[in-house]
Amino acid sequence: DTGVSQDPRHKITKRGQNVTFRCDPISEHNRLYWYRQTLGQGPEFLTYFQNEAQLEKSRLLSDRFSAERPKGSFSTLEIQRTEQGDSAMYLCASSLAGVNYGYTFGSGTRLTVV
Amino acid sequence: AQSVTQLDSQVPVFEEAPVELRCNYSSSVSVYLFWYVQYPNQGLQLLLKYLSGSTLVKSINGFEAEFNKSQTSFHLRKPSVHISDTAEYFCAVSDTRAGTASKLTFGTGTRLQVML
Repeated sequence: DTGVSQDPRHKITKRGQNVTFRCDPISEHNRLYWYRQTLGQGPEFLTYFQNEAQLEKSRLLSDRFSAERPKGSFSTLEIQRTEQGDSAMYLCASSLAGVNYGYTFGSGTRLTVV
Repeated sequence: AQSVTQLDSQVPVFEEAPVELRCNYSSSVSVYLFWYVQYPNQGLQLLLKYLSGSTLVKSINGFEAEFNKSQTSFHLRKPSVHISDTAEYFCAVSDTRAGTASKLTFGTGTRLQVML
């Protein structure tokens, strides 16, 4: 069990470019979550998967954001036409279904849009 | 919908002194309650959780929190802090209803700064 891995750790991009982040959850975890954390704020829920199915998306997730979890393993989060307001820490977490099992968070991907 | 309020953005405290980090929540349904800790340049780690049963829950490193339903609070306490406790602490709630995503609603965090 190597924990939840996120790649890259840091990403600097120019406004208007597309970016993609990857999350590798703990292998036996069937739930995967994406959160966004801006400076001075707590993490905010973006979306979650149970296995390969994306079951819920936050209203925070605009049409420029898309997430996938093919085969129920790793997940990708893509942001198209990035804006400066997208600058944040993007956190991935995984868990077993059922709240008795706490989340395991990755270290996050810090996105800076210049 | 739920919301979490952490009124103290920063709490400075001397080493070996007691500390309390306050958390209040608002919800129209029953909730589960969590405290997460985030050390510099690391991901969030679960510190402790209240799901049911005893309202006083404890972590392995000396922290404890008490669920108070009437005051809708889940304050975090430690009788004697150590320099290594310096971190950001987040309170979070989750819907108890079956079939929900177990998604967490976080507070804005409290930075605990332990001083020598």
